Amino acid sequence: AQSVAQPEDQVNVAEGNPLTVKCTYSVSGNPYLFWYVQYPNRGLQFLLKYITGDNLVKGSYGFEAEFNKSQTSFHLKKPSALVSDSALYFCAVRLVSSNTGKLIFGQGTTLQVKP
Amino acid sequence: EAQVTQNPRYLITVTGKKLTVTCSQNMNHEYMSWYRQDPGLGLRQIYYSMNVEVTDKGDVPEGYKVSRKEKRNFPLILESPSPNQTSLYFCASSLARDEQYFGPGTRLTVT
Repeated sequence: AQSVAQPEDQVNVAEGNPLTVKCTYSVSGNPYLFWYVQYPNRGLQFLLKYITGDNLVKGSYGFEAEFNKSQTSFHLKKPSALVSDSALYFCAVRLVSSNTGKLIFGQGTTLQVKP
Repeated sequence: EAQVTQNPRYLITVTGKKLTVTCSQNMNHEYMSWYRQDPGLGLRQIYYSMNVEVTDKGDVPEGYKVSRKEKRNFPLILESPSPNQTSLYFCASSLARDEQYFGPGTRLTVT
């Protein structure tokens, strides 16, 4: 079965420190990979995606993510966290071969950045 | 402004009373989906549509119906809501292989 795992329910970092939010996936084909962020009482906002090419992708608000095919991971990173980055983050995967547009989501990781 | 809109944003209803949540997008996207978000479970797809008059079940379709008569609209229908359908619902749209754009969400409570 296709699945996405975010092993940490919550990640706590101090402002100015680097942050990592982990994501691993299990799919039977080649994936498209996405990160979304959800602020309180808001919908999901797209951060970045990996389709093909360079394993390091850069996205909105200074976030980046590294695709690692051998470890089937797509960890989200930022060199210097801001208090305003505090939110709920979702990793998602879609199969390249899929024509349904369906995204499979992880369970989400709450990022708490303390001043 | 490119957007996905949902209405209503909040709804409290009683078991068995039919309801419809509307979804509309102005980006001419072919793909539209409905998801529900529950704590600890992430988002799960209810139904999706690849184009007008083309819909199919997602992972959790029981108790829901959808229709796609126009490209921009994709309403979610609960014919006989039950308390286990209390959740936060999101509509999303996308082009074929691009990122999905999400609506602001509809918080539904069924008592």
